[in-house]
Amino acid sequence: ETGVTQTPRHLVMGMTNKKSLKCEQHLGHNAMYWYKQSAKKPLELMFVYNFKEQTENNSVPSRFSPECPNSSHLFLHLHTLQPEDSALYLCASSHGAHRPQYFGPGTRLLVL
Amino acid sequence: AQSVTQPDIHITVSEGASLELRCNYSYGATPYLFWYVQSPGQGLQLLLKYFSGDTLVQGIKGFEAEFKRSQSSFNLRKPSVHWSDAAEYFCAVGTNAGGTSYGKLTFGQGTILTVHP
Repeated sequence: ETGVTQTPRHLVMGMTNKKSLKCEQHLGHNAMYWYKQSAKKPLELMFVYNFKEQTENNSVPSRFSPECPNSSHLFLHLHTLQPEDSALYLCASSHGAHRPQYFGPGTRLLVL
Repeated sequence: AQSVTQPDIHITVSEGASLELRCNYSYGATPYLFWYVQSPGQGLQLLLKYFSGDTLVQGIKGFEAEFKRSQSSFNLRKPSVHWSDAAEYFCAVGTNAGGTSYGKLTFGQGTILTVHP
């Protein structure tokens, strides 16, 4: 398998549920990113991990909890979400500065 | 802080016509510029990138972009559009996150391309 993969591709959850999104990159990159993409809004960078260490948290609510056990895997743990959290969540990876990021297909999340 | 502006929210072209999508950026240092394409419900696919050197860069799917420093622009072009090019296109400027070994991207709002047969 190549590139960046994300599972699940679609997720419907209630506000009291706990779920996790998974991202895996097969590119040997050192940095991994979580983005949120909502309709009619620009992509929002949520978290950045570099060599497994969190380096950026862009004021993301605590109901989103990232985890990066190694440079190839990234998780986003979700709990007590709100309907406004419904969006496409994209994972990306890159290697070094000034390099392009490569994106996964995203997880379409619907919070009821 | 850096920023990217894509002035056109939605563009419609006929199949076979030429295409130009506009992108203007604001960044104090040498920019690293990218164009991505996103089909509905999918992730972003890298079309092309500019780091330095030749200001006209070629990408995948027959796309090219020209970097014009004097105009702070990085417009995307294609001489003949195919129906399969219908998608949303994002321009982005890349920055080194404070001298670290990873970068950050600032995206424009995107331009939706509709292709009429």
